[in-house]
Amino acid sequence: NAGVTQTPKFQVLKTGQSMTLQCAQDMNHEYMSWYRQDPGMGLRLIHYSVGAGITDQGEVPNGYNVSRSTTEDFPLRLLSAAPSQTSVYFCASMSSGWTSGANVLTFGAGSRLTVL
Amino acid sequence: EDQVTQSPEALRLQEGESSSLNCSYTVSGLRGLFWYRQDPGKGPEFLFTLYSAGEEKEKERLKATLTKKESFLHITAPKPEDSATYLCAVRELPSQGGSEKLVFGKGTKLTVNP
Repeated sequence: NAGVTQTPKFQVLKTGQSMTLQCAQDMNHEYMSWYRQDPGMGLRLIHYSVGAGITDQGEVPNGYNVSRSTTEDFPLRLLSAAPSQTSVYFCASMSSGWTSGANVLTFGAGSRLTVL
Repeated sequence: EDQVTQSPEALRLQEGESSSLNCSYTVSGLRGLFWYRQDPGKGPEFLFTLYSAGEEKEKERLKATLTKKESFLHITAPKPEDSATYLCAVRELPSQGGSEKLVFGKGTKLTVNP
């Protein structure tokens, strides 16, 4: 199984440009999420989705948009990139049963974004 | 105030020198405590889940334990390939109107020298 696939792996943007980070999973997971990881800050939740058509904000949602039209895909959009969005982004998914406490997140390999 | 605090931030060990990593948490309704390993340039990889005080899990040289306020990741006779950043995360009961969430600590970077 491929698991969670993120593209691109590396991206350099100029301030004000827009782009989409792609995330796809082939495990039929209901729950998908986006995190950013910055030195000294740990992993911070940006947006998450508990199923197709349902999204919600995490800890640091400003400047990012998401949509969930299919179970498999959960793209993260930056409409007008800012240097503060320079970070490593991780997509993660988990099978349904979030409330059971039994499931764990499977992470992608990450996308390193630099905004100049 | 951070809900999940890991210590130390960095730890250097000699091969074979056992030690422990700490994860303390302040969430009110714990629904699970998770340990992940992260290698440079890669995503976190799941290690353990602990649900209740007194619970222990083992995998090779790693042993995770849980009390009501903290968890320890014990590393016995570590090898250089155990070098990585170890992340702790807690899953908490939602507040009224909120949703469950997973809160990560900032991690402990472990280096094991041969």
